[in-house]
Amino acid sequence: GAVVSQHPSRVICKSGTSVKIECRSLDFQATTMFWYRQFPKQSLMLMATSNEGSKATYEQGVEKDKFLINHASLTLSTLTVTSAHPEDSSFYICSATPGDTQYFGPGTRLTVL
Amino acid sequence: GDSVTQMEGPVTLSEEAFLTINCTYTATGYPSLFWYVQYPGEGLQLLLKATKADDKGSNKGFEATYRKETTSFHLEKGSVQVSDSAVYFCALSDRGGTYKYIFGTGTRLKVLA
Repeated sequence: GAVVSQHPSRVICKSGTSVKIECRSLDFQATTMFWYRQFPKQSLMLMATSNEGSKATYEQGVEKDKFLINHASLTLSTLTVTSAHPEDSSFYICSATPGDTQYFGPGTRLTVL
Repeated sequence: GDSVTQMEGPVTLSEEAFLTINCTYTATGYPSLFWYVQYPGEGLQLLLKATKADDKGSNKGFEATYRKETTSFHLEKGSVQVSDSAVYFCALSDRGGTYKYIFGTGTRLKVLA
């Protein structure tokens, strides 16, 4: 149980385009979902917290207009990287929680050319 | 604010050696504590957790005990395998209702055959 999927697992896009990443909790309803960014050989950096039906809460320094988050249902949250640039290249990981314990997706490797 | 401190890696062990990865925390309340494991190119997998003082979490031969008096949650395994090679993250959960985590920096473990 407690499986979280992410799609796509890997994406390459051109600079200036937008990319959407989906995060789904497959066997539980997630009251809260989180989006993280991870740089090579580093810990996870929390980008934002999203609750179903309400606006996401962004961490300090994260551009909300660049990283659009939509939590449409209790099992689906999406992260859209708008007007992507090479510095947005990273490993993006989502997590979902029914309460207290976070369950993580497998991650999405974004490469912006 | 709350924080998690993990021993720095990398940790290199021979197969069947004893493993300890130290984790200490500071928190104003009574957090839940977690260990996650990350294999290369993947998301985080929950390894074990403990929700109150003196609780012992265990899974796949790994153990950690929630020590309130020493504010520690050290990860141990009696006999490591090559397949245990990964990065291990200690985390605490904010019980203030946000379910946000504070992560340690991660400890890379390499087990040699």
